[in-house]
Amino acid sequence: DAGVTQSPTHLIKTRGQHVTLRCSPISGHKSVSWYQQVLGQGPQFIFQYYEKEERGRGNFPDRFSARQFPNYSSELNVNALLLGDSALYLCASSLSGGKVNTEAFFGQGTRLTVV
Amino acid sequence: AQSVTQLDSHVSVSEGTPVLLRCNYSSSYSPSLFWYVQHPNKGLQLLLKYTSAATLVKGINGFEAEFKKSETSFHLTKPSAHMSDAAEYFCVVSGAGSYQLTFGKGTKLSVIP
Repeated sequence: DAGVTQSPTHLIKTRGQHVTLRCSPISGHKSVSWYQQVLGQGPQFIFQYYEKEERGRGNFPDRFSARQFPNYSSELNVNALLLGDSALYLCASSLSGGKVNTEAFFGQGTRLTVV
Repeated sequence: AQSVTQLDSHVSVSEGTPVLLRCNYSSSYSPSLFWYVQHPNKGLQLLLKYTSAATLVKGINGFEAEFKKSETSFHLTKPSAHMSDAAEYFCVVSGAGSYQLTFGKGTKLSVIP
């Protein structure tokens, strides 16, 4: 069975540009969450989507947005990129969005470098 | 509000010796607690989770953790380290009704041959 897949694996962008990161959850999983992991730190929560609705948002500026599609895949969009947006972006999928102790399965991430 | 403090940023052990990675948590609700491992250039993998059942939780690869409410701790242990255990370990907390996972800053485990 395929796990959580993210694309692209690596990306280099220039300050001010826009970026779209993609995530396909495990088959049957309806919840997708996004995390940002800056070098040397633990992942930080950005968004959670469940059944195509936003269920939660972390402390990130409005330049960050996301959506979930009918097939439960998801996109994370970041506008007006800053150098500080350079990080590993992780996607996690889980069966449900309501029960927090449902295990979250993580993809390998997209490494974004802003120059 | 919930938070996690991993008390050591780096732990170094010799192969075959015990491993102890320390974690303290803070949560307004009865927490769910997790340990995840991240190998270089790999995604996060769940080692074990505590969800208000038994306080001693057994995970994969010989790891276990004990939930101590009085000490607000959830330390990760393994009796005998293996070279393949070298990785970054994250203690994670989430509160009742919360979908958000809050990660600690991580502990890098080095295993010396």
